Amino acid sequence: GQNIDQPTEMTATEGAIVQINCTYQTSGFNGLFWYQQHAGEAPTFLSYNVLDGLEEKGRFSSFLSRSKGYSYLLLKELQMKDSASYLCAVYAQYNFNKFYFGSGTKLNVKP
Amino acid sequence: DAEITQSPRHKITETGRQVTLACHQTWNHNNMFWYRQDLGHGLRLIHYSYGVHDTNKGEVSDGYSVSRSNTEDLPLTLESAASSQTSVYFCASSPGAGEDTQYFGPGTRLTVL
Repeated sequence: GQNIDQPTEMTATEGAIVQINCTYQTSGFNGLFWYQQHAGEAPTFLSYNVLDGLEEKGRFSSFLSRSKGYSYLLLKELQMKDSASYLCAVYAQYNFNKFYFGSGTKLNVKP
Repeated sequence: DAEITQSPRHKITETGRQVTLACHQTWNHNNMFWYRQDLGHGLRLIHYSYGVHDTNKGEVSDGYSVSRSNTEDLPLTLESAASSQTSVYFCASSPGAGEDTQYFGPGTRLTVL
């Protein structure tokens, strides 16, 4: 089976940096995805890590350590529009290749 | 522009009725998925398809069915709606063949009274 853990909620200040952690226990790991979901909207793709290390994409970066079953999403220069839920999803082969989503971390950005 | 759409966006129905939620994508993606999203549970996979005439059960498939008669559509049917199926339903697609990123539709909010 799959077990994915993320903090339920976080609060940060506009302009600051925030790190959202995700830990997972899985079999057949094939990659880790991060999605952003604004309230009442669909999840949208942010990043994908399949190898260990840091992937940087503008203000957002994502890190993966496969040996530790650990990933984080780093958001820099926070803006009010970054207030959203951030979903960690493990792509794994357990029967078939499928996504397994964590419950999401709700990020509140305050002025 | 290619896209993925869902209809209806909102639906209220009664217990015991059959309900079908539509999902249509114009990306020509091989893979399509249905999820439900409930508070505290995140996204849970209901059914998925890796191509025409292929369907597979996800982790919460009881009470749901799908069929894939063409590349573009994967309708989700609730055979006899139950209050426990009140949820937000998301359809997603991915290209397949090594391209695994899933792209989500706007969602359907279903209420079963």
